[in-house]
Amino acid sequence: DIQMTQSPSSLSASVGDRVTITCRASQNIINYLNWYQQKPGKAPNLLIYAASSLQSGVPSRFSGSGSGTDFTLTISSLQPEDFATYYCQQGYSTPSTFGQGTKLEIK
Amino acid sequence: QVQLVESGGGVVQPGRSLRLSCAASGFTFSTYGMHWVRQAPGKGLEWVAIIWYDGSKKYYEDSVKGRFTISRDNSKNTLYLQMNSLRAEDTAVYYCARDTYCSSTTCSIYFDYWGQGTQVTVAS
Repeated sequence: DIQMTQSPSSLSASVGDRVTITCRASQNIINYLNWYQQKPGKAPNLLIYAASSLQSGVPSRFSGSGSGTDFTLTISSLQPEDFATYYCQQGYSTPSTFGQGTKLEIK
Repeated sequence: QVQLVESGGGVVQPGRSLRLSCAASGFTFSTYGMHWVRQAPGKGLEWVAIIWYDGSKKYYEDSVKGRFTISRDNSKNTLYLQMNSLRAEDTAVYYCARDTYCSSTTCSIYFDYWGQGTQVTVAS
């Protein structure tokens, strides 16, 4: 199975900050990498698919990059509603696997 | 609008069975692959299973293989997860999720719509 490793596991930041979360795959997944945001008690929400494509309706302050094994999610200017947990997920092969999550907290 | 509504969760003893349902509306259900994804209390997301739009292909996460069965009834716009021989480690919120695109041979394996989830607790 492909292992997905996110860093950091948690992150404290302030409104207006630029934040980057990284995700590393245990093997080449080309660009089959997706990012989700999850708030407490809610289902995840797709932010980025195919490493860098912004899902419809998602604010443009979210962006993704990377290919092969190394990927990043960037939030250009944090807003209060962005404090949540973020997951990467590989869609290269089944079983699909998620990173362990990055909890973004208010500083 | 797209809606996915799970049901069927509850408290069940180890070794027993449970069947989850996911009622879909707002889209042509028979043209989309569907997934189950679960989340144990305080833990991350874990993919469980996928079924092709026509039911022709199914794949499972290793720990549920042979115990869980994913199925669908396109005439009822409903997805199912039959869970047998349940274990304590199956305790989780179970989400159904829509795949964005499947051809006859491959699916995108990412999820653009999710249900609200149904809680499954396996305990004696």
